[in-house]
Amino acid sequence: EIVLTQSPATLSLSPGERATLSCRASQSVSSYLAWYQQKPGQAPRLLIYDTSNRATGIPDRFSGSGSGTDFTLIISSLEPEDFAVYYCQQRSNWPFTFGPGTTVEIK
Amino acid sequence: QLQLQESGPGLVKPSETLSLTCSVSGDSISSGSFYWGWIRQTPGKGLEWILSMYYTGNGYHNPSLKSRVTFSVDTSTNQFSLRLSSVTAADTAVYYCASGHSVQDGLPEFWGQGTLVTVSS
Repeated sequence: EIVLTQSPATLSLSPGERATLSCRASQSVSSYLAWYQQKPGQAPRLLIYDTSNRATGIPDRFSGSGSGTDFTLIISSLEPEDFAVYYCQQRSNWPFTFGPGTTVEIK
Repeated sequence: QLQLQESGPGLVKPSETLSLTCSVSGDSISSGSFYWGWIRQTPGKGLEWILSMYYTGNGYHNPSLKSRVTFSVDTSTNQFSLRLSSVTAADTAVYYCASGHSVQDGLPEFWGQGTLVTVSS
């Protein structure tokens, strides 16, 4: 099973600041890495798929990059609605797995 | 645009079988356009795929749960279901049904709102 680790666990930032979230895989997942946003009481929402493709309706302040085992999600300028938990997920090998999440909180 | 909605008991006794149903609207469950999955979330283990299946019956079960999991589809009601047998407290979780386009296996674009299932006597 591919293990995903995310860093940092918590990111404390102010609105308007840039957020950089990392995801590392225990083995290569090629480009099959996605990012999700989850707010309290809600299901995860797909943001980015296959490393760098924004899902439908996702604003361009969200961008993804990376390959192989190291991936990054950048939120260029945080809006109030962006404070949430972010998960990475690989679909390279079954069982598809999620990372433990990074909480982006208001500083 | 698919919409998914979970239903089922919120409380299950240890050693019994957890049964959940996901109602699908926006497309036929037998269209072949989507795969159908169940994902659960716990504070301890985070998000965990349980299974990902196609209408044809092909798909994947998580090896850690495979012997206890059953997936079924009801085309007359446009629903799919999960049964998890011999539950313990470790199966207490929020259970989500999820789906995505069949050409993008393993990418859950559509989610139900989730249902909390507690295993307790």
